[in-house]
Amino acid sequence: SQTIHQWPATLVQPVGSPLSLECTVEGTSNPNLYWYRQAAGRGLQLLFYSVGIGQISSEVPQNLSASRPQDRQFILSSKKLLLSDSGFYLCAYVSSGRIGDEQFFGPGTRLTVL
Amino acid sequence: KNEVEQSPQNLTAQEGEFITINCSYSVGISALHWLQQHPGGGIVSLFMLSSGKKKHGRLIATINIQEKHSSLHITASHPRDSAVYICAVRLFHGGSQGNLIFGKGTKLSVKP
Repeated sequence: SQTIHQWPATLVQPVGSPLSLECTVEGTSNPNLYWYRQAAGRGLQLLFYSVGIGQISSEVPQNLSASRPQDRQFILSSKKLLLSDSGFYLCAYVSSGRIGDEQFFGPGTRLTVL
Repeated sequence: KNEVEQSPQNLTAQEGEFITINCSYSVGISALHWLQQHPGGGIVSLFMLSSGKKKHGRLIATINIQEKHSSLHITASHPRDSAVYICAVRLFHGGSQGNLIFGKGTKLSVKP
């Protein structure tokens, strides 16, 4: 069966510190992968998506970056966190070659930047 | 104007009531999703539909492509249905591979 993992579940970081959030998918090959952010009082916003290893597309300019070092691993990073980076970060996937299919979401990471 | 609008933003109901959540969108879409987000934050996909109606247990989702409108209905509501319900659309001509645009969600609270 297919599953998606994210860690850590919660994170409290000071402004200016680095960030690394990890997402892994099991049970499927070559999935499309997505990073979303949900800021307080706002809807989900797509940050990055990837259709393959090393292929990253950014939807909005920001302080964050993403990488896909392996087929089923998606990492969200920042060199220096800002207060505005606080939010709930969700990773999602669509099974390989089936762009029209539904997206499955990970459990999320709640990030608080102080 | 947001591309995806949901109403109401907040909804409180008594157990057993019939609930309707609405979603309107202003762009051409290839599919519409209804998602459920529990208090802990985890998101579950409820429906994906591009026409007509789908039913799963006590949940019913309908979409009218011409009117650019979808509704999510919950019959015989229960306190465990309390969650945020999110409408999301996939653009018909999306640059992103399967990109979704999300509404802000409807917070449902069902009282016993």
